[in-house]
Amino acid sequence: AQSVTQLGSHVSVSEGALVLLRCNYSSSVPPYLFWYVQYPNQGLQLLLKYTSAATLVKGINGFEAEFKKSETSFHLTKPSAHMSDAAEYFCAVTKFGNEKLTFGTGTRLTIIP
Amino acid sequence: DTAVSQTPKYLVTQMGNDKSIKCEQNLGHDTMYWYKQDSKKFLKIMFSYNNKELIINETVPNRFSPKSPDKAHLNLHINSLELGDSAVYFCASSQTSGGAEDTQYFGPGTRLTVL
Repeated sequence: AQSVTQLGSHVSVSEGALVLLRCNYSSSVPPYLFWYVQYPNQGLQLLLKYTSAATLVKGINGFEAEFKKSETSFHLTKPSAHMSDAAEYFCAVTKFGNEKLTFGTGTRLTIIP
Repeated sequence: DTAVSQTPKYLVTQMGNDKSIKCEQNLGHDTMYWYKQDSKKFLKIMFSYNNKELIINETVPNRFSPKSPDKAHLNLHINSLELGDSAVYFCASSQTSGGAEDTQYFGPGTRLTVL
């Protein structure tokens, strides 16, 4: 079975500071990994995805994530936080031939002015 | 011009009632999904349909019955509502079901409150 663990249910950073949201995965086969963002009272929007191509994946809104097989990690980063980044972030995993996404428990990102 | 739409956005009802949530996508996708997000924000897949055919049916009570009249619509009917059914229900769609890397596009959610 596949799973993802998001370390830290709440993360606070100052505006302009580095954003780092952690995600570790567990999978017996090569995974496909995703980061989604959920703004208040809205649905989920895809930020970026890893599908076995480049290990450093760039997404929307200045976010990127790096797939590290040795660490089974797929952490999300952004060099400089903006107030509009305040939201809930979800890491998710699936595998080739399996359309079911398994989500982590989410990390709420708060930006301090 | 919403890609994945759901109605209603909010649904408040009494225990024991039967209710439906509708979902429509105008992306031309073949696969649609229902997810449940509980009060702790945990998201879990419930069902998946590919071109009107059920392909994923997680461990969901029989009171929940998805219906897909065509590949652009996937409705969720819930019988005999219980307090524990209170959650936000998200509909999603993707291009295909075989390509795991296909992006799933989510609707805005339906917040169901059972009193």
